[in-house]
Amino acid sequence: QQQVKQSPQSLIVQKGGISIINCAYENTAFDYFPWYQQFPGKGPALLIAIRPDVSEKKEGRFTISFNKSAKQFSLHIMDSQPGDSATYFCAASRETSGSRLTFGEGTQLTVNP
Amino acid sequence: EAGVAQSPRYKIIEKRQSVAFWCNPISGHATLYWYQQILGQGPKLLIQFQNNGVVDDSQLPKDRFSAERLKGVDSTLKIQPAKLEDSAVYLCASSLTSGVSSYEQYFGPGTRLTVT
Repeated sequence: QQQVKQSPQSLIVQKGGISIINCAYENTAFDYFPWYQQFPGKGPALLIAIRPDVSEKKEGRFTISFNKSAKQFSLHIMDSQPGDSATYFCAASRETSGSRLTFGEGTQLTVNP
Repeated sequence: EAGVAQSPRYKIIEKRQSVAFWCNPISGHATLYWYQQILGQGPKLLIQFQNNGVVDDSQLPKDRFSAERLKGVDSTLKIQPAKLEDSAVYLCASSLTSGVSSYEQYFGPGTRLTVT
């Protein structure tokens, strides 16, 4: 019930391409869905987040698409750059759990020059 | 604005030894979290504090792990005795307690623990 499943495990794209990472959740009580970016040796950094009352949120080159009925959400990185090479984690939380984040397994993104 | 501070950054110990990690959250953040991140996996919550009270410690292995947050600011996480499977990065995060930004958690750089 508390799991968040993420795919793919790794992704290689060319510079300028679109990177797409998908997540699926089971618990319909989740009400907050963030994406975190983590570079080696660093802690995760909040990238973008969405709530289930909207189907899409865009911030710069990063877009979250949310499908409530399918219990899925995805991260799209437009015009991918080598500097975007990092590990990306989706997560979910619900207010009644005190904002505890349940993370996906992570996607290692490599953007080739 | 200063971020979440953690120390030490790296620690190597032998199994059955004890170890302690320290965290200083972002100023004004009343909620503090400790996560364990095993290599190749996403972070897993160990314990959550609001001020100096425990909100959630359901996933903390209480036979060997302990944490405290005296005075509602800094926090320490202790492992005693350590096992090989405790090798991981221990991440501290903090967030505001209320308002729309209360969901936004900010992470420190982590402490990489190696148990040999």
